[in-house]
Amino acid sequence: GAGVSQSPRYKVAKRGQDVALRCDPISGHVSLFWYQQALGQGPEFLTYFQNEAQLDKSGLPSDRFFAERPEGSVSTLKIQRTQQEDSAVYLCASSLEGNQPQHFGDGTRLSIL
Amino acid sequence: AQSVAQPEDQVNVAEGNPLTVKCTYSVSGNPYLFWYVQYPNRGLQFLLKYITGDNLVKGSYGFEAEFNKSQTSFHLKKPSALVSDSALYFCAVRVRHSGTYKYIFGTGTRLKVLA
Repeated sequence: GAGVSQSPRYKVAKRGQDVALRCDPISGHVSLFWYQQALGQGPEFLTYFQNEAQLDKSGLPSDRFFAERPEGSVSTLKIQRTQQEDSAVYLCASSLEGNQPQHFGDGTRLSIL
Repeated sequence: AQSVAQPEDQVNVAEGNPLTVKCTYSVSGNPYLFWYVQYPNRGLQFLLKYITGDNLVKGSYGFEAEFNKSQTSFHLKKPSALVSDSALYFCAVRVRHSGTYKYIFGTGTRLKVLA
């Protein structure tokens, strides 16, 4: 595909369940970012990959959040033992290296009941 | 702390009139600045960026932005607004962090263009 693809688009889970969110970046894009966007807010940085290396995970809110990109392309954001405050839209973005702008997926809207 | 501020939650403008969406920043060093637009239930779309050079940057869909170093601002502008420009606009800055870099986004400004 031509753009960044995220799946699922919508996810409803009960509190305490584990969830996995997938991101397919644009082919050849080295950099991959995950963001959390609460309702009415701007995206908040979660983590950054350069190829398969996770260079910065300082934005992950707790040790329940885990991200990986094992082959330097597809990435998965996993949230364990979900809590209601995890409800948000999770955005993935990819870019060529350097000063190139980010290309965003349409996000996964996560609702924790 | 490094930050981006968008002082207006919402901007209303009549179709055909010029529009301005404000952004100010606080970063160390030279900033890399960006504007993105977000439509309902969609991800952010890149509009334009400032890295260096001419202070007036032209971008997609007729938008432009002016970098003002002394006022630490990067306001988004368009000479003639369209109803289809109604959306949520985000200013962002790229900053050095933990030996690499990350992006800080403002809280967004909702633009409403009235027919």
